[in-house]
Parts: sequence; C-alpha cells; structure tokens
Amino acid sequence: DAGVIQSPRHEVTEMGQEVTLRCKPISGHNSLFWYRQTMMRGLELLIYFNNNVPIDDSGMPEDRFSAKMPNASFSTLKIQPSEPRDSAVYFCASSFGRGGNTGELFFGEGSRLTVL
Amino acid sequence: KNEVEQSPQNLTAQEGEFITINCSYSVGISALHWLQQHPGGGIVSLFMLSSGKKKHGRLIATINIQEKHSSLHITASHPRDSAVYICAVNSGNQFYFGTGTSLTVIP
Repeated sequence: DAGVIQSPRHEVTEMGQEVTLRCKPISGHNSLFWYRQTMMRGLELLIYFNNNVPIDDSGMPEDRFSAKMPNASFSTLKIQPSEPRDSAVYFCASSFGRGGNTGELFFGEGSRLTVL
Repeated sequence: KNEVEQSPQNLTAQEGEFITINCSYSVGISALHWLQQHPGGGIVSLFMLSSGKKKHGRLIATINIQEKHSSLHITASHPRDSAVYICAVNSGNQFYFGTGTSLTVIP
C-alpha cells in the first residue's frame, strides 16, 4: 500500500493567492483528518471527515479555509486568500475508525506551505 | 489551558538508557495516541491505547484511565530513537495534542 499521499510537498506562494493542498487516503480507510503544524502552536486538528462527510470543522481557522472530500479517495484543503500566518506544514492522515474510535492514524508526509 | 500535558519537554539520554515520557490529560477520551516525528518531519503512529499496556519491540506504552495518565517507555535506547514524541488524545470528534517531547540519544 502506498500510504497516505499528499501533494504538493512544498509550496511557496505570495500573499493573496489561492492555495490547494491535496490528499489521497489509504484505500479502505473511512476517516480523514487535516492537521496543521507550526512552531508556535504545534499540531492542530483542522477538520475531520468520516465516510466523506465533514464531522467537525471547528478547528478551521476562518472562512478563508475550506476542505472537501468529494469521494473516498480524495480530499482537498483550500486557502483563499492566503496570508503569511498560514505558513505551516499541513498534514493529512487517514484511519479506519469504528465504534466511536478513530483508529490508528496514518499520516502523509505533509505539505510545507510558505506564504510570502 | 492545555488539555494534554507532556513531560519532559526535552530529554537527552545516553545510548542504552531506559527512557520514560509522560502524558497527562484533562478530558474524557476514547483513545490516546503516541506519535513519533523524526527530524525530516514525517509523523508515524506508534501506539493507540484505550486501556492497559501495549508493547512493540523496545517500546512500551501504558495508560491509566482513572488517573488520566499515559507513559511511553523506550528500553535500551538507541540514537535512531532521537525524535519528537507527541501524545494525542481523541475526545469525541476532537483531537488534542501535547507539545511534544524532544528526545536526543547520544551514542
């Protein structure tokens, strides 16, 4: 199995530009998570999908952030317009959860975003 | 207010030493996760626990639900164990993360 695949691995963009990060979860997993990691705040959960449905997006910083999961094998995290404070590493993780338990998490390698 | 507290923040050990990293949490949980992040940035799940104890190779994780406390132990530590170890708890639909313990094992 290829594991969780994220793209791009690195992105440098200018303030105001739209950024789209992509994630392909492990086949068969029913839960997908987007996390953000910064030096100041550590790891934070942004949004959590279960069976392609957003369950909790309370971690999404503001309206500039949106996430979609159109099918079980693909998710996007979009930032529009981007700001320098959005610079971070964005991780996608997937799992097979059941019975109220998310299951073991499998992380992608992350997308490092720099907004100038 | 941090829902998950880890200690110590930084730890340096000699190769071969027994290492313990602690995690305390303040919320009700369905599971606790220990994650490992190497200098390259990738994150790997080491354990997912809801009770008792789990062992994988030289790594042992324990959890005490009543005391809301978990420990990660590394026996016979090795320089390749040098990484940041992160405790995370799953509470309802939320994940709360500790700030991580940076471990350096010196040959």
